[in-house]
Amino acid sequence: AQSVTQPDIHITVSEGASLELRCNYSYGATPYLFWYVQSPGQGLQLLLKYFSGDTLVQGIKGFEAEFKRSQSSFNLRKPSVHWSDAAEYFCAVGAWAGANNLFFGTGTRLTVIP
Amino acid sequence: DAGVTQSPTHLIKTRGQHVTLRCSPISGHKSVSWYQQVLGQGPQFIFQYYEKEERGRGNFPDRFSARQFPNYSSELNVNALLLGDSALYLCASSLQGTDYGYTFGSGTRLTVV
Repeated sequence: AQSVTQPDIHITVSEGASLELRCNYSYGATPYLFWYVQSPGQGLQLLLKYFSGDTLVQGIKGFEAEFKRSQSSFNLRKPSVHWSDAAEYFCAVGAWAGANNLFFGTGTRLTVIP
Repeated sequence: DAGVTQSPTHLIKTRGQHVTLRCSPISGHKSVSWYQQVLGQGPQFIFQYYEKEERGRGNFPDRFSARQFPNYSSELNVNALLLGDSALYLCASSLQGTDYGYTFGSGTRLTVV
């Protein structure tokens, strides 16, 4: 069965510091992988996605993620965090279950301190 | 262009009542999916509809139902509300629902008391 694990519930970083959010997935086939961001009271915004090809994926807002099949991971990174990046981040795997639905992790809350 | 529109944004219901949530997809999108996000959790898939047909259903009880209209808008209905149904309900639309190209709405916050 498909599942997504985000081991870090809450991360605090200083503005300008680098960021890495961890994501591990479990899925039998080649996964479709996603990172979404959710600001308080808002819906989900897609940051980036991986379907195939180059394992380093570039997204919006300066984010990137690397797919590592051997580690079943899809970690999100940003070299320099801005205060506006404070939000909840969700990793998701796309899996067929009668529909092209997404299975989400429990999220990582990012706090940015000045 | 308007994004995915959900209404109402907030509502409070009493246990045992019924609720209807509405979603208007992006113009041209024919597929609508519904997700439930309980506080502190990631969203969980409820339904997907395409061209008015149910394409997929998540692990939710029969109290949850949905439909899609000819203009591709959608309703999510929940009967016999329980306290545990309190959540943010997200609607996502996509062109055909086969490419994971979802755009999410801002959600409806349902509180059951």
